[in-house]
Amino acid sequence: QVTLKESGPVLVKPTETLTLTCTVSGFSLSNARMGLSWIRQPPGKALEWLAHIFSSDEKSYSTSLKSRLNISKDTSKSQVVLTMTNMDPVDTATYYCARTTAGSGYYDYWGQGTLVTVPS
Amino acid sequence: SYELTQPPSVSVSPGQTASITCSGDKLGDKYACWYQQKPGQSPLLVMYQDSKRPSGISERFSGSNSGNTATLTISGTQAMDEADYYCQAWDSSTTVVFGGGTKLTVV
Repeated sequence: QVTLKESGPVLVKPTETLTLTCTVSGFSLSNARMGLSWIRQPPGKALEWLAHIFSSDEKSYSTSLKSRLNISKDTSKSQVVLTMTNMDPVDTATYYCARTTAGSGYYDYWGQGTLVTVPS
Repeated sequence: SYELTQPPSVSVSPGQTASITCSGDKLGDKYACWYQQKPGQSPLLVMYQDSKRPSGISERFSGSNSGNTATLTISGTQAMDEADYYCQAWDSSTTVVFGGGTKLTVV
């Protein structure tokens, strides 16, 4: 059974750095062509792709947020970590991790999401 | 940057066919997929690689993608289909784009 679970702080102060962890089970991050992305959704708004990392360690970031993001993985712990620096109230959102396979074009499994609030 | 455009809302009567469009430059040259999201839930994949249904998704859902437009079609729409729907594609081999979402109302 494939599961993904996001964890991290519920509240982050402006200018602080957010660190989120996605812990997966039911598959290995080292599986060929396996990838994991972070996607966020502000309350009442659309989904926004942030970053992804593949088993090859290939990484990619949203153009608009690239300077603030870093994604990494620890295969032995089955975890993918996203850091976002200089948090702002506009970064208040539910943050999801989702699984993909290189070349497939879609996310077949999603975590439950974690709501992160940045107070003004 | 690449953009995908969806109508903000679509209304359909129960039992009728709903069509939700997603437009982007030469979208037909890429794979498009669709997610259904109900309030308080994570997105659920309902269509991938333009017209393939994941296991467990009703046959009432179908998809197409040609030219600049991908379309998700729901036939015999039911109240349970009421949700937000998002299209998604890969801009290049390295970046991902989501549409702005369409709220489907069954009235």
